[in-house]
Amino acid sequence: EAAVTQSPRNKVAVTGGKVTLSCNQTNNHNNMYWYRQDTGHGLRLIHYSYGAGSTEKGDIPDGYKASRPSQENFSLILELATPSQTSVYFCASGDTPEVFFGKGTRLTVV
Amino acid sequence: TQTVSQSDAHVTVFEGDSVELRCNYSYGGSIYLSWYIQHHGHGLQFLLKYYSGNPVVQGVNGFEAEFSKSDSSFHLRKASVHWSDSAVYFCAVSAHYAQGLTFGLGTRVSVFP
Repeated sequence: EAAVTQSPRNKVAVTGGKVTLSCNQTNNHNNMYWYRQDTGHGLRLIHYSYGAGSTEKGDIPDGYKASRPSQENFSLILELATPSQTSVYFCASGDTPEVFFGKGTRLTVV
Repeated sequence: TQTVSQSDAHVTVFEGDSVELRCNYSYGGSIYLSWYIQHHGHGLQFLLKYYSGNPVVQGVNGFEAEFSKSDSSFHLRKASVHWSDSAVYFCAVSAHYAQGLTFGLGTRVSVFP
């Protein structure tokens, strides 16, 4: 079964600080995704990638950057974290509609 | 742009009951449809999908869904729920295999003994 591992699982960051969320997948999927989940908004797509070296903007990319240095790894970067970015972030890999999700990272920006 | 609507925010059922979760979407072209389940504190897990062919598709753990083009719907059903089916269920659509999913807001299902 596809394995998608996110780190850290929990993170507290200060406003204005830099935050990097990491994701690793072991199923050799080309496509990877970052979502955030918020009450009242469901899951929303931030960035996605077709493969190593590629990043594309999703529906809500403002304030986020992404990096895909290899097939296995896909990072989400908050250069200047804000309290509005407090959320649960999910990484996923695979070809839609059947994708595999990680367990999530709970980020709190104070 | 595709949108997904799940009309019920919360559904309460008893173990052994049947359940139907409604999903309606809007999109003008060909579309992938799917359902996911999220247990508390976990990531989402794929249940089933539809793209073409037989409008009734079977998924894991006794779930099935039926596509209706005329109603723009993809409702999820289970004939007899178990307490372990308590979770949040998300309907999702995608117009392209590599460009991510658009999710509904989810339906929380609470199963009581």
